[in-house]
Amino acid sequence: EPEVTQTPSHQVTQMGQEVILRCVPISNHLYFYWYRQILGQKVEFLVSFYNNEISEKSEIFDDQFSVERPDGSNFTLKIRSTKLEDSAMYFCASSEAGPNQPQHFGDGTRLSIL
Amino acid sequence: GQSLEQPSEVTAVEGAIVQINCTYQTSGFYGLSWYQQHDGGAPTFLSYNALDGLEETGRFSSFLSRSDSYGYLLLQELQMKDSASYFCAVSDTGRRALTFGSGTRLQVQP
Repeated sequence: EPEVTQTPSHQVTQMGQEVILRCVPISNHLYFYWYRQILGQKVEFLVSFYNNEISEKSEIFDDQFSVERPDGSNFTLKIRSTKLEDSAMYFCASSEAGPNQPQHFGDGTRLSIL
Repeated sequence: GQSLEQPSEVTAVEGAIVQINCTYQTSGFYGLSWYQQHDGGAPTFLSYNALDGLEETGRFSSFLSRSDSYGYLLLQELQMKDSASYFCAVSDTGRRALTFGSGTRLQVQP
């Protein structure tokens, strides 16, 4: 069964550094998403991406965040200047284009900011 | 804004049936989804309701009442592997972003 893959599984970074989290969505999916989950809390929406542009974003997704689809397979989340509170599990998800299509999540990247 | 409420924890025994409730408040409700998440794992899609009524997928069923802003996930013939957190999530009309509830931790005991 096709799946969403994310790398790295764990990223440790010094505060103030830039990080790039990588995702390969399911190949025939057209919508891509990033969510985050702070330890012990609920999953929170960050951003959705369709047709090479952001279609929705949450209040969390401020100027320090950016997303990109650099080629036909990868989808990346960049955090420009990391803060301690950015420590969380970051999940990438993708879905087909039609209505009511379920979002399929990757296994996540655990980001630890020191 | 949107808000969802679900119980924080439920305990049941193997072979039993358990129901996890979810009430929601949102301005432009479109659908209610359910996801399962094992510790350290990814949320896995279980079920989706946009219309009133019951949707059945194997041992799992999900129900929605739009007039009551209420839904539930029903798990039958519980197995130890069903021990996990279960999240309800709403999507609004015209939006694909999911807003998740805080999750219900289900513990299945032998």
